[in-house]
Amino acid sequence: QVQVIQSGADVKKPGASVRVSCKVSGHTLTELSMHWVRQAPGKGLEWMGGFDPEEGEAIYAQNFQGRVTMVVDTSTDTAYMELTSLRSEDTAIYYCATDSVEVPATMFYWGQGTLVTVSS
Amino acid sequence: QSALTQPASVSGSPGQSITISCTATSSDVDDYTYFSWYQQHPGKTPKLLIYNVNDRPSGVSSRFSASKSGDTASLTISGLQAEDEADYYCSSYTRTSTVVFGGGTKLTVL
Repeated sequence: QVQVIQSGADVKKPGASVRVSCKVSGHTLTELSMHWVRQAPGKGLEWMGGFDPEEGEAIYAQNFQGRVTMVVDTSTDTAYMELTSLRSEDTAIYYCATDSVEVPATMFYWGQGTLVTVSS
Repeated sequence: QSALTQPASVSGSPGQSITISCTATSSDVDDYTYFSWYQQHPGKTPKLLIYNVNDRPSGVSSRFSASKSGDTASLTISGLQAEDEADYYCSSYTRTSTVVFGGGTKLTVL
């Protein structure tokens, strides 16, 4: 069974950057794509992007192009998402989720979420 | 505005069946490749309910089913239970290799 454990909550000032990590166990990130989804308070789910191990690169949603970087360390099966130039609207719970080998682009296994608060 | 449109809310009484629609408003998602539904209880992590349009992961109740007709996909919950009260999201892979979510539907069990 795949388990995904995320890093803890973080508080950042406007303009700063945040990095969230996700450690996978029970499978390897050499085969699974890691997606990142965020949810602002009281709002819906928003896909930010995902790292495709076959392509060896990330694909980002247009809304985050230029501000987000997603990487994977396959030696530790840990994925990282960095979001820069933070503003108050980036206050949200950030989730990572993996797909399955058979069904890509589908979020089977979710992390517990990481609350990122952007406040001066 | 999302490329997938869902009703903001639906409601039903225990034992009834309800259907949540998800309509593609962009040609990027009109072939419903890797289409899925997620359930999210308040304060909880989203959970995969349906994938590949109408397949259920192990452990998901058979009361949840889904279908597709034309440019609209639907999630049906039969034998509604109080525990089904949650937010439901549809999602699809797109032709630009991205993923989109619908805006979400809040289900109230009366």
